[in-house]
Amino acid sequence: GAVVSQHPSRVICKSGTSVKIECRSLDFQATTMFWYRQFPKQSLMLMATSNEGSKATYEQGVEKDKFLINHASLTLSTLTVTSAHPEDSSFYICSAGTGAQEETQYFGPGTRLLVL
Amino acid sequence: QKEVEQDPGPLSVPEGAIVSLNCTYSNSAFQYFMWYRQYSRKGPELLMYTYSSGNKEDGRFTAQVDKSSKYISLFIRDSQPSDSATYLCAMSKNSGGSNYKLTFGKGTLLTVNP
Repeated sequence: GAVVSQHPSRVICKSGTSVKIECRSLDFQATTMFWYRQFPKQSLMLMATSNEGSKATYEQGVEKDKFLINHASLTLSTLTVTSAHPEDSSFYICSAGTGAQEETQYFGPGTRLLVL
Repeated sequence: QKEVEQDPGPLSVPEGAIVSLNCTYSNSAFQYFMWYRQYSRKGPELLMYTYSSGNKEDGRFTAQVDKSSKYISLFIRDSQPSDSATYLCAMSKNSGGSNYKLTFGKGTLLTVNP
């Protein structure tokens, strides 16, 4: 149980293009989803928290117009990196939680983005 | 001072050794504690989840929480080469993390040598 998938696993794009990453909870309903970015040999950095049907809450320093998050259903959240640049190259990981107080969140396998 | 401190290592041990991984924290508001294992280029995998002080055991893994000292540990018995990964501690104030953000340590890179 508690399986979270991400698609694509890896993407290479040209500078200036937009990239969409999908995060799905496969066997539970995720009222809350989280998006993280991880640079090599660094820990996870939370970018934003999204709740189904409402706007995402972004962490300080994260540009909401650049990183568009849509949590349209209880099993799907998407992160769109708009007008990607080489400095956006990173490992993007989503996680999902049921929203229950005593439970924790489960992570997807991550998406490696390389912007040329 | 960072909220969560974790020695990044690297830590290298022989197969079969007992491994001890630790995190300290400064904010007594943290109530929920987790350990995640992350293999290279993969997402973190939940290993242990505890609430309140004490021990929790699952197979070769034991998690300890000492709230009075603001110190958490993960022990791995009979370590195997497949345990080689980065181990991240995480904690949360308001809930287990299901609906609230987690605060992570930097992660400790562990290598178990056959």
